[in-house]
Amino acid sequence: GQQVMQIPQYQHVQEGEDFTTYCNSSTTLSNIQWYKQRPGGHPVFLIQLVKSGEVKKQKRLTFQFGEAKKNSSLHITATQTTDVGTYFCAWVTDSNYQLIWGAGTKLIIKP
Amino acid sequence: DGGITQSPKYLFRKEGQNVTLSCEQNLNHDAMYWYRQDPGQGLRLIYYSQIVNDFQKGDIAEGYSVSREKKESFPLTVTSAQKNPTAFYLCASSSTGVAYEQYFGPGTRLTVT
Repeated sequence: GQQVMQIPQYQHVQEGEDFTTYCNSSTTLSNIQWYKQRPGGHPVFLIQLVKSGEVKKQKRLTFQFGEAKKNSSLHITATQTTDVGTYFCAWVTDSNYQLIWGAGTKLIIKP
Repeated sequence: DGGITQSPKYLFRKEGQNVTLSCEQNLNHDAMYWYRQDPGQGLRLIYYSQIVNDFQKGDIAEGYSVSREKKESFPLTVTSAQKNPTAFYLCASSSTGVAYEQYFGPGTRLTVT
């Protein structure tokens, strides 16, 4: 079946450094969504990408969708403590609107 | 306020007992989902429902059962047949028709000893 690989599993950064997480799929899919889960919380929708090569920005967050629609990335510039959490990508299946979730990348700010 | 509620937040049960987790939404969403999350892991789909009185198995349905008698409600029963029931259970809902985002409830942490 369809699978999504998300890397890295963890990323430790100093506050103020940048953070990037990547998602790759073996097949071309229609849309990708990104979610953030704070420690002890529930996933919260961030954004959806639909078009090939699409780039969207939300303040310090930049989301990209690959030209072939097989990969996506989330980049955070100058991380802050409020960015701490796990970031998930989720691919939207074509047939029944289920999401296929990546394993998530945990952003940890070094003390 | 519109949203999804799950209760209880924490639940403790003995092995061999069935337990039902509640999920209610007032967002008027047609689709509802149940996920399981283990520590440090992603979300795995247990069951989903796109319309009242209909539901489909997800990737890890064994040992779980659901019902969808009302649009607003999608309870999940963790049966004694589930080998490793201790986990964080998340309920979500979304509109259908196009790829809409999913809205999640706060989750229920189930511990079975």
